[in-house]
Amino acid sequence: EVQLVESGGGLVQPGRSLRLSCAASGFKFDDYAMHWVRQAPGKGLEWVSGISWNSGSIDYADSVKGRFTITRDNTKNSLYLQMNSLRAEDTALYYCAKDTLSDWGQGTLVTVSS
Amino acid sequence: DIQMTQSPSSLSASVGDRVTFTCQASQDIATFLNWYQQKPGKAPNLLISDASDLETGVPSRFSGGGSGTDFTLTISSLQPEDIATYHCQHYASLPYTFGQGTKLEIK
Repeated sequence: EVQLVESGGGLVQPGRSLRLSCAASGFKFDDYAMHWVRQAPGKGLEWVSGISWNSGSIDYADSVKGRFTITRDNTKNSLYLQMNSLRAEDTALYYCAKDTLSDWGQGTLVTVSS
Repeated sequence: DIQMTQSPSSLSASVGDRVTFTCQASQDIATFLNWYQQKPGKAPNLLISDASDLETGVPSRFSGGGSGTDFTLTISSLQPEDIATYHCQHYASLPYTFGQGTKLEIK
């Protein structure tokens, strides 16, 4: 059974940084691309970033380009999202998702507020 | 970027009704389309992939169709537990994008 468990969310002031993690199990992690998707309170879903199986291909939504960095460690079956220069509009539940977004974690909440 | 447009934004129907959601892509995405069900406080749950492939464990009253730019998700006989928001999402190319969602309510 695929399991994705996000962690690292919390309350952070505007302009500060936060690093999210996603621990994967139940599948061969290094065979699949992975993604981060977010959902602001009461809003729809927004794809944030994706990384190929070998980190050779990475992409970001325009809204986070230059501020967020996605990485993965296939030896630890883990996905990461380094979020810098956080803004109030980054407040959301952040999900990690597998491949074509077939499987999702339960999310970790990031709140950006002074 | 490919834009996904869902309609309607909300829908009210009675138990037993046939309900259809629509999703339109701004360009041809073949059948690279997922449909999700999301209940309050929960992560989205994949119902249908590749536009029409029902995921394991999803009730057969759910079905998907379409290709190219126009897609549908149908519930053949609405059940109370189907109350949720439904999202479409393409995976034809990055960035993956979602429709704005359709909120389904019971009349």
